[in-house]
Amino acid sequence: AQSVSQHNHHVILSEAASLELGCNYSYGGTVNLFWYVQYPGQHLQLLLKYFSGDPLVKGIKGFEAEFIKSKFSFNLRKPSVQWSDTAEYFCASRGQGRRALTFGSGTRLQVQP
Amino acid sequence: DAGVIQSPRHEVTEMGQEVTLRCKPISGHDYLFWYRQTMMRGLELLIYFNNNVPIDDSGMPEDRFSAKMPNASFSTLKIQPSEPRDSAVYFCASSGGLAGGPTDTQYFGPGTRLTVL
Repeated sequence: AQSVSQHNHHVILSEAASLELGCNYSYGGTVNLFWYVQYPGQHLQLLLKYFSGDPLVKGIKGFEAEFIKSKFSFNLRKPSVQWSDTAEYFCASRGQGRRALTFGSGTRLQVQP
Repeated sequence: DAGVIQSPRHEVTEMGQEVTLRCKPISGHDYLFWYRQTMMRGLELLIYFNNNVPIDDSGMPEDRFSAKMPNASFSTLKIQPSEPRDSAVYFCASSGGLAGGPTDTQYFGPGTRLTVL
C-alpha cells in the first residue's frame, strides 16, 4: 500500500525566511506527486505536480518542489515566505495510471509578520 | 467554470439522523472522488467513480455510508444513521483527461463541515 509521510507537523517562520517542507512517499513503481495548499477555512488548491521529466517542478505563488527518486522524496520549497502563505500544506502521491490520491498528514505553516 | 460545487457547506444534525451531502463535479470531468478530513486521520479517500460507476469504495467506513452518482453532474454521499464520530469535513473532487496527462488533476470543492451531536 502507498503511504506519504510529512515529518514536519507544524512550522513557524518569520516573513522572508526560506521554507522547505519534507515529503517522503512509499511506492515501488512510477509515481505521480502533488502538493496541495489549504488556506484557513478554504478547500484544497493545487500548488504543483510532478508526472515525469524535469525533477524540479515550479508551481504557483513562487513554490517549487524537487523529486529525488533515490530518496523517495518530493520536498516543497519557497525562498522567501509571506504572511499570506500561512496555511496547511499536503503532499500526495499516486501510482502512475492510477487516479486516487494518497495524502500525507499535512504540515501547518504559520508565518509571522 | 464554477468549479466543484458542494452542498450544504455546513450541516449540524443529531445522532441517528440521516445526512445527505451533495456534489456537482466540473463539467466534462469523468472522475469523482469523496474524501473525509479529520484531525485524527487526516484526508482519507472514501470512494471514487469513473463515468458514474463506483470504482473503489474500500475507504467507506461501514454500511452506514453509501454513495451514488446517478448522472455525470451529480453525486451524493449519505450517512444513515449518523454518529458523532462521523463529524468531519467531507470533500468532493473531480478530475478528467488521460491518466498522467496535462489535465489530469483533482480539483476540490469547498467541503461540507458535518457536525453530529
